[in-house]
Amino acid sequence: SYVLTQPPSVSVAPGQTARITCGGNNIGSKSVHWYQQKPGQAPVLVVYDDSDRPSGIPERFSGSNSGNTATLTISRVEAGDEADYYCQVWDSSSDHQEVFGGGTKLTVL
Amino acid sequence: QVTLRESGPALVKPTQTLTLTCTFSGFSLSTSGMCVSWIRQPPGKALEWLALIDWDDDKYYSTSLKTRLTISKDTSKNQVVLTMTNMDPVDTATYYCARMRGGGSCYGGWFDPWGQGTLVTVSS
Repeated sequence: SYVLTQPPSVSVAPGQTARITCGGNNIGSKSVHWYQQKPGQAPVLVVYDDSDRPSGIPERFSGSNSGNTATLTISRVEAGDEADYYCQVWDSSSDHQEVFGGGTKLTVL
Repeated sequence: QVTLRESGPALVKPTQTLTLTCTFSGFSLSTSGMCVSWIRQPPGKALEWLALIDWDDDKYYSTSLKTRLTISKDTSKNQVVLTMTNMDPVDTATYYCARMRGGGSCYGGWFDPWGQGTLVTVSS
């Protein structure tokens, strides 16, 4: 089965740039989607298809994907960005499995 | 505006069968390319995908749980139902349903939006 690996935690000061990685075997060949989840709330899509942003998501959120690593980048981090972030891909090689990473807790110092 | 809402029991006993209903509005599951999935999240843990049903009534299940899961849809009622048999305390989680979208179809696509989730506790 396909495995996505995320760092458990990332810390960044306000105004700085946060980078959250999502590792997987040849993940660059897949479309990666990212979700933000704040405590007690449902996840919200922040990036889809590696680097596209849904309407209403600030331009500060961007994504990239190449080789074995996809990255969610949050520029000019704000206190309100503190949340858990999850990556997700479709594993078409094994009877259609949707796969989530283990999640990364973003702490704004 | 697309919305989804999960409903079902808050408490089930071990070995019982859980039935959850996702009622949605703002889209039709008979539209080509459309899908709805169920995802769960144990307290303090990561998201786990459970099952998917598409516009053509094709169904896919998590490999680790497929023997216990059944997903179905009632297009006329805009509902998707998930049943999970032989519930265990480790199945205690918030269960979400979400619409799936993609470029041409939902396959390879993303979950957007999500319902608010419903917490299911398994305890005797």
